[in-house]
Amino acid sequence: DAKTTQPNSMESNEEEPVHLPCNHSTISGTDYIHWYRQLPSQGPEYVIHGLTSNVNNRMASLAIAEDRKSSTLILHRATLRDAAVYYCILNRNYGGATNKLIFGTGTLLAVQP
Amino acid sequence: EPEVTQTPSHQVTQMGQEVILRCVPISNHLYFYWYRQILGQKVEFLVSFYNNEISEKSEIFDDQFSVERPDGSNFTLKIRSTKLEDSAMYFCAITRDISYEQYFGPGTRLTVT
Repeated sequence: DAKTTQPNSMESNEEEPVHLPCNHSTISGTDYIHWYRQLPSQGPEYVIHGLTSNVNNRMASLAIAEDRKSSTLILHRATLRDAAVYYCILNRNYGGATNKLIFGTGTLLAVQP
Repeated sequence: EPEVTQTPSHQVTQMGQEVILRCVPISNHLYFYWYRQILGQKVEFLVSFYNNEISEKSEIFDDQFSVERPDGSNFTLKIRSTKLEDSAMYFCAITRDISYEQYFGPGTRLTVT
């Protein structure tokens, strides 16, 4: 499985944008880029995923570099509830049956009021 | 409303005892997963289950572990003879059809004494 590299921790102020980087220089053509987050004492939560183009949903935006070797999760206005560990995960498009997620250590995002 | 619930929320058991952890999807799903997270460590994939059989399992998922859907709705993880090192949060995850997002349950905290 291709590896991702994320900063151990980041800090943000409430209501400001947050850019969470992820490097995945060994990504293959069939790897989707997934982001999950884990709030304290909860299970992981799906945030967003993409393949080549930038993606937007109600939670966040995903900006993918042209060479796909890096991506950035963008939270447009951080709230205190966004304080969590954010995981960048590469996942091959084999369909749900073998779509296991390999979690790294992620980025611990702290949001200051 | 959560996609999946898990019972019990906390289970304390003695070493050598059998435990059964349950996952109850709210609606119809085809793909099921178990993950675990030892306190302070990464989320680890255990097993994926599709069409009433295991589709993939990790090295952690040895002969002490088993999974099944006994009544077509609940999805269970059984540990036959628990060890101290089985103490962890166990998360069930599900996906719908060909969607790639995995929805995680709130987890069961297993404490083996």
